[in-house]
Order: sequence, then structure tokens, then C-alpha cells
Amino acid sequence: DAKTTQPNSMESNEEEPVHLPCNHSTISGTDYIHWYRQLPSQGPEYVIHGLTSNVNNRMASLAIAEDRKSSTLILHRATLRDAAVYYCILRDVATSYGKLTFGQGTILTVHP
Amino acid sequence: NAGVTQTPKFRVLKTGQSMTLLCAQDMNHEYMYWYRQDPGMGLRLIHYSVGEGTTAKGEVPDGYNVSRLKKQNFLLGLESAAPSQTSVYFCASRQTGTAFGNTIYFGEGSWLTVV
Repeated sequence: DAKTTQPNSMESNEEEPVHLPCNHSTISGTDYIHWYRQLPSQGPEYVIHGLTSNVNNRMASLAIAEDRKSSTLILHRATLRDAAVYYCILRDVATSYGKLTFGQGTILTVHP
Repeated sequence: NAGVTQTPKFRVLKTGQSMTLLCAQDMNHEYMYWYRQDPGMGLRLIHYSVGEGTTAKGEVPDGYNVSRLKKQNFLLGLESAAPSQTSVYFCASRQTGTAFGNTIYFGEGSWLTVV
């Protein structure tokens, strides 16, 4: 699986936007970019995913670089509930079972 | 977390004891997974299943066995528990097919301590 690189931690203030970066320089053409987050003492939850174009949903936006070697998860207005570990994951749709390979993720701290 | 239920949520075992973790999903998903998560680390895949009656090894399968006798259930067994198996275990499932079906849904976790 292609690897991703994320900062270990980031901090934000409540109500401000947060941009969480992810580098994936060895991404292949069949890799989807997935973001999951894990709130304390809970299982990971899906946030957003994309292939080439920028994506928006009710939780966040995903901005994908033109060369696909990096992406940014954007939380438009951080809340205290957004404090979590955010995982950027590449998933190859060509694999038969579609596992997710988790790195260490970015710990997001949100200050009131 | 929609539709993935793990039991038990907490368990303390003595070294050498056996136990089974049960995962149940009500979304009619084909694929199911067992992951473990150690403190400060990401999740690692133990075993997975691509359908009823099929199982396969993931990254860290040693010391674990699994069974998928019914589509909705995926069991993870520890035959002889060791302290190194102290961890949080997460079950997950997903549907096949469409791109949006790639979303994987996780259970809330089972905290296992082996003393």
C-alpha cells in the first residue's frame, strides 16, 4: 500500500477553520484518498473520500492537489467535538478486500 | 456508528485462557474485518472475511482465529491469551460495489486486558 505522511499534531481554536495536510507522493492511479477520524474511546468513523476532484460533504471538504501527491482535509468551523485523531489513508480499489492501512494520524486539539 | 455491534465491550483474561469476541452487523455487508489498536498507534488488520464461510489473514494474525458462519457475524477467537494481546479490538464491515460503498463502518471497540 502507498504510504501517507501527516503531522503528528495540530491545534485550532473553536469556530476557526482547520486545514489538515497529508502527503502521499507514491499514490497510484487506482488509490482513493480516504479520511477517517477517531474520537476518544471510539472506533474510527468515515469523514470523506475522493479520487481526483475536490469533494464536499456535511462534515468536511477534501482538497486534492492536481498531481494527487498531497491532499488537505478542511474543517470549516472547528468545534470541540472535532477533537480527534485524523487518519489520511490510501485505499487501492484494485485490491480484493479493500482493507484500510492506518498510520499514526494527526491528533487535532481544539481550544475553546 | 451505524450497525456494527461488538461484545463484550470490556474483558480481563488470565494468561492462557480462551475467549471469543463477537461482531454483528445488520447492514447486509459482505466484507468484515478485525483490527487491533495498541496505545498511541494506528489500527492493524488481524483477519478479514469477504463473505459467509470465508476468512483470510491480515497483517498480524498470529494467536487469533476467526469464523464467519453467518453473513452478519464475524467471530474473533483467542485460544490461549497472552499479555501481548492486551489491546483494543475493532470490528468493521463494508459493502462491495459502488465507490461510495467503499466506506467502512467500525464498531465501538472491545477493550481486552490479559494479565
